[in-house]
Amino acid sequence: EDQVTQSPEALRLQEGESSSLNCSYTVSGLRGLFWYRQDPGKGPEFLFTLYSAGEEKEKERLKATLTKKESFLHITAPKPEDSATYLCAVQAGNYGGSQGNLIFGKGTKLSVKP
Amino acid sequence: KAGVTQTPRYLIKTRGQQVTLSCSPISGHRSVSWYQQTPGQGLQFLFEYFSETQRNKGNFPGRFSGRQFSNSRSEMNVSTLELGDSALYLCASSLPGGGDTQYFGPGTRLTVL
Repeated sequence: EDQVTQSPEALRLQEGESSSLNCSYTVSGLRGLFWYRQDPGKGPEFLFTLYSAGEEKEKERLKATLTKKESFLHITAPKPEDSATYLCAVQAGNYGGSQGNLIFGKGTKLSVKP
Repeated sequence: KAGVTQTPRYLIKTRGQQVTLSCSPISGHRSVSWYQQTPGQGLQFLFEYFSETQRNKGNFPGRFSGRQFSNSRSEMNVSTLELGDSALYLCASSLPGGGDTQYFGPGTRLTVL
C-alpha cells in the first residue's frame, strides 16, 4: 500500500535555529514527490517538486532533497513567517496514462518563535 | 495568472441536505482533482477529472460525486449530508501530464449541523 509518513508531527524552533523535516514514503513507482506549505484556513501552497533520487531544489531559506525512501525539507535560519504546516505528498506511477492522485502525509506543524 | 478559485468559501448545512461546490482551474489546466481535509484524516483524494471524464476515484461513498464541464470548470456534489462530512474541500488543477504539479485553491469550508 502506498504510504507517506512525516516527522516530527510538530516542531518548535527559535528564530535562526536551522532544522529539517522528514518525509518517508513507500510507493509503487514514484512519479513525483511534492512539498506544500499550508497556513491555517487556507489551501496548500506549492513549494517544490522532486522526481528522482539525488535531486535537490532550493527556494529562499528552504531546500528539499530526495532519496529512494525519503525526502527532507531543510529550513535554514527560519523566521517567524515560516510558521505553517508543511505537507509532503507523492504521486505513484501505477495509474497508466492517468495523472494519478496525490497521497499526503499528515504534515509537520512548524512554529518559529522570535 | 489567476489561481484556482473555489466557491463558496463557507457553507453551513444540516444533516440530510445536499451541497454543490464549484472550482475554476488555472487557465490552461485541464485536470481537476478534489480532496477532503479533516483534522483526523488529513488530506484525502476524492476524484480527478480530465476532459469531462472521471479518471480516478478515491475511497469515498457514492454520496460524493463530481463532474467537469467543457471549459474545465468542475463541481462536486455531496448528497444526504452527514455530520462527518464537515471538512475543508480542496480543489487542485494541473496540466494533464503525469507528475505535473497540482495547484490548490483556497478551499470550501463545509459545516454540517
